Amino acid sequence: AQSVTQPDIHITVSEGASLELRCNYSYGATPYLFWYVQSPGQGLQLLLKYFSGDTLVQGIKGFEAEFKRSQSSFNLRKPSVHWSDAAEYFCAVALTGGFKTIFGAGTRLFVKA
Amino acid sequence: DAGVIQSPRHEVTEMGQEVTLRCKPISGHDYLFWYRQTMMRGLELLIYFNNNVPIDDSGMPEDRFSAKMPNASFSTLKIQPSEPRDSAVYFCASSYQAEAFFGQGTRLTVV
Repeated sequence: AQSVTQPDIHITVSEGASLELRCNYSYGATPYLFWYVQSPGQGLQLLLKYFSGDTLVQGIKGFEAEFKRSQSSFNLRKPSVHWSDAAEYFCAVALTGGFKTIFGAGTRLFVKA
Repeated sequence: DAGVIQSPRHEVTEMGQEVTLRCKPISGHDYLFWYRQTMMRGLELLIYFNNNVPIDDSGMPEDRFSAKMPNASFSTLKIQPSEPRDSAVYFCASSYQAEAFFGQGTRLTVV
């Protein structure tokens, strides 16, 4: 069955430090890949997406993600975290041929001063 | 565009009552999704539509749940009868070419 795994339930980083959130997927082909962010009490906002082409994609708010086919991974990175980045981050896949979108369990990011 | 609009934002109801959640997708989007979010189970896909037609309802937990999309600008998710374990935040999302946009969600509390 198709699945999305985010192995870290929560991560704490210091403001100004770099960040990497992990995501692995299980699917027979390369799906469309996404990262979303959710602030408390809000809906999900798209940070970035990968459909094809360059495996390093840039998103909003200074985030980037790299698709690695050999590892079935799509990790999210940011070189310098700001306190306002504290939120929950979801990796998602949309299965080609139907665009059914499924989400990982999420990683909650805490930022300390 | 105002984005995906869900109503109500909050709903408190008694066990056994019927609950209807509403969603207005972004104009021009051809897919519509209903998700449920809980602490225990995370974001679960309940059902999704393509051009108003239900494509996959395998995530609908029980027959008490039903969803309709009578036209391209409106969808409902109904729970009848509601139970306390249905308490959750329900999100509607619409998409075009696989990029999904989410509404603010409806927080449902069944007491």
